[in-house]
Amino acid sequence: AQSVTQLGSHVSVSEGALVLLRCNYSSSVPPYLFWYVQYPNQGLQLLLKYTTGATLVKGINGFEAEFKKSETSFHLTKPSAHMSDAAEYFCAVTAMNTGNQFYFGTGTSLTVIP
Amino acid sequence: NAGVTQTPKFQVLKTGQSMTLQCAQDMNHNSMYWYRQDPGMGLRLIYYSASEGTTDKGEVPNGYNVSRLNKREFSLRLESAAPSQTSVYFCASSNGQTQETQYFGPGTRLLVL
Repeated sequence: AQSVTQLGSHVSVSEGALVLLRCNYSSSVPPYLFWYVQYPNQGLQLLLKYTTGATLVKGINGFEAEFKKSETSFHLTKPSAHMSDAAEYFCAVTAMNTGNQFYFGTGTSLTVIP
Repeated sequence: NAGVTQTPKFQVLKTGQSMTLQCAQDMNHNSMYWYRQDPGMGLRLIYYSASEGTTDKGEVPNGYNVSRLNKREFSLRLESAAPSQTSVYFCASSNGQTQETQYFGPGTRLLVL
């Protein structure tokens, strides 16, 4: 079975500071990993995903994540936070043996302090 | 393209009432999903439909039924609403391949009194 753990339900950073949101996964087979962002009162939007190939994945709005198999991690980073980055972020995992099911983490709420 | 649409946006029910949440996608996707989102619990899968004509239970199916009406539409029905079903409900779709992105609708906020 697959699962995702997001460490830190709330993260605050100053505008211009590094953003680091942590995601660790559990999977018995090679995983496919996703980061989604949810702005207030909206649905989820894809930020980036890892399926195969290059382990450093770049997404929209300057975000990137690195798949580290040895650490079972897929942490999300952005070099410089912007006020517009304030949102809820979800990590998700799926794999070939999940029957198209995604397993989501509990989310991390990012606050950007001016 | 509208993507994934959901109706209604907001609904208040009394305990025991029934209702159907509607979802439609215009991306010609094969697979569709219903999730519920609760504070501190992330998104949990209620039911999904891997292809037209098939439906399967997810993590939290109790109290819900679904219908894959055609390739575009996937509805979620609450036969007898309970306060524990107060939540935000999201519909999603994908082309059905495991690694493919799921695209989400804007959500339905349901309050059961």
